[in-house]
Amino acid sequence: GENVEQHPSTLSVQEGDSAVIKCTYSDSASNYFPWYKQELGKRPQLIIDIRSNVGEKKDQRIAVTLNKTAKHFSLHITETQPEDSAVYFCAASIRPGTASKLTFGTGTRLQVTL
Amino acid sequence: GAVVSQHPSRVICKSGTSVKIECRSLDFQATTMFWYRQFPKKSLMLMATSNEGSKATYEQGVEKDKFLINHASLTLSTLTVTSAHPEDSSFYICSAVREAKNQPQHFGDGTRLSIL
Repeated sequence: GENVEQHPSTLSVQEGDSAVIKCTYSDSASNYFPWYKQELGKRPQLIIDIRSNVGEKKDQRIAVTLNKTAKHFSLHITETQPEDSAVYFCAASIRPGTASKLTFGTGTRLQVTL
Repeated sequence: GAVVSQHPSRVICKSGTSVKIECRSLDFQATTMFWYRQFPKKSLMLMATSNEGSKATYEQGVEKDKFLINHASLTLSTLTVTSAHPEDSSFYICSAVREAKNQPQHFGDGTRLSIL
């Protein structure tokens, strides 16, 4: 089955700096890669996702890049703010939708300091 | 849109009790819902895939007789932890997928289960 590795496990940045979280996956059939943000005791919330037909996607301060050849994808957060502090999970699946289950990475605890 | 409600949010009960958790898609139909378990400071581990009108598909190592799943309608799936013991204490989260092409999973708020 799919195996997703995520690094780093913790990340501390100063407000305004950029944060980068990296994930690798093992199943070359995976084509869908969402990123979720989870605050303490709350639900994971989808912040951005990318499908294999594109190499990069951006939404305001958040961007995701995908390298299918190397089987890795990354989350980039620019101009970080204290409210960005949370645990971020990457995930992979064959496709989005009802029939495909997500395999999650181990999570990255991001701390944005003032 | 894409609101998923999970109830209850917190359960504390004695060992041996069976606990039922509900997952509802409030504004869309979901033929498939997923149940996850999350330990403190750990990732989400898929327990089972809940399919409306059919038996759930359990992941390897998950006891189907221990974690009963029922998906009786297009908006409701339930997870029952039978004869719960302290080792079943965890954060349980469901997700639902809108019945349309290429829709992402949307998560409920989770249920924190504590077995004394």
